[in-house]
Amino acid sequence: EPEVTQTPSHQVTQMGQEVILRCVPISNHLYFYWYRQILGQKVEFLVSFYNNEISEKSEIFDDQFSVERPDGSNFTLKIRSTKLEDSAMYFCASSGQGSVQPQHFGDGTRLSIL
Amino acid sequence: AQSVAQPEDQVNVAEGNPLTVKCTYSVSGNPYLFWYVQYPNRGLQFLLKYITGDNLVKGSYGFEAEFNKSQTSFHLKKPSALVSDSALYFCAVSLMNTGFQKLVFGTGTRLLVSP
Repeated sequence: EPEVTQTPSHQVTQMGQEVILRCVPISNHLYFYWYRQILGQKVEFLVSFYNNEISEKSEIFDDQFSVERPDGSNFTLKIRSTKLEDSAMYFCASSGQGSVQPQHFGDGTRLSIL
Repeated sequence: AQSVAQPEDQVNVAEGNPLTVKCTYSVSGNPYLFWYVQYPNRGLQFLLKYITGDNLVKGSYGFEAEFNKSQTSFHLKKPSALVSDSALYFCAVSLMNTGFQKLVFGTGTRLLVSP
C-alpha cells in the first residue's frame, strides 16, 4: 500500500536556525497538509496546499513558516528562524481527488530546538 | 468553530471484551467525522469516516463507529478487543465537503487492552 514518507525522522536544530522538513506524498494525491503535535497535546492543523498554492493556514502558520512543492514528488515545510516552542512532531499528510477523501499521514519528523 | 471532545484520557478493557472510545463534536453545519489510530513512533492511520447515510460506519481492523446527530457523538466501538488494539485513538471533524479537508482533532484517548 502506498505511503507518505517523511525525512528526517528526527531533526535537532539550534534556536534561530532554519530547518526544512521533507515529505513525499502518495503519488496520485492532490491535496497536501502539514500538522504538528506538541508533546502530550493534540494534533493541530498548520496548512493545506493544492494546485501549487496554500488553500488554508492556521494562526500557528505565521511568516516564519513556508511550504513548497519544488518538484512533482516532494512537499516541504520550512521554518525560517526556529524558536524553542517550535519543538514538536510534524506530520505530513496527503489525500486524493474526490469529496471527503481520508488523509494519509507520514510517520512524522520529531523537531527538537535547542 | 468546530471542536471535538474525547472525554476519556484512557480506556482499559480486557481482551475479548467489547470496547468503546467516546467522541463528541461541535460544528455549525453538517460534520464529516473521522477516527484515526496512532501506534508508538508512527503517524496517524485512518480507521473510518462518516459522511452521510447509515449511522453505523464500519472501518479497518473490525472497528465501527456510530454517528448520533441528536447527541452530537461519534463513538468508536469494537465487539471484541485485541491486545494489539492498544494505541492512541483520535477523533477528528471537518466541515469541508471539497477534496481539501482541514481536520480538527480531539486530544486523543489511550486504549489499553490487557491479556
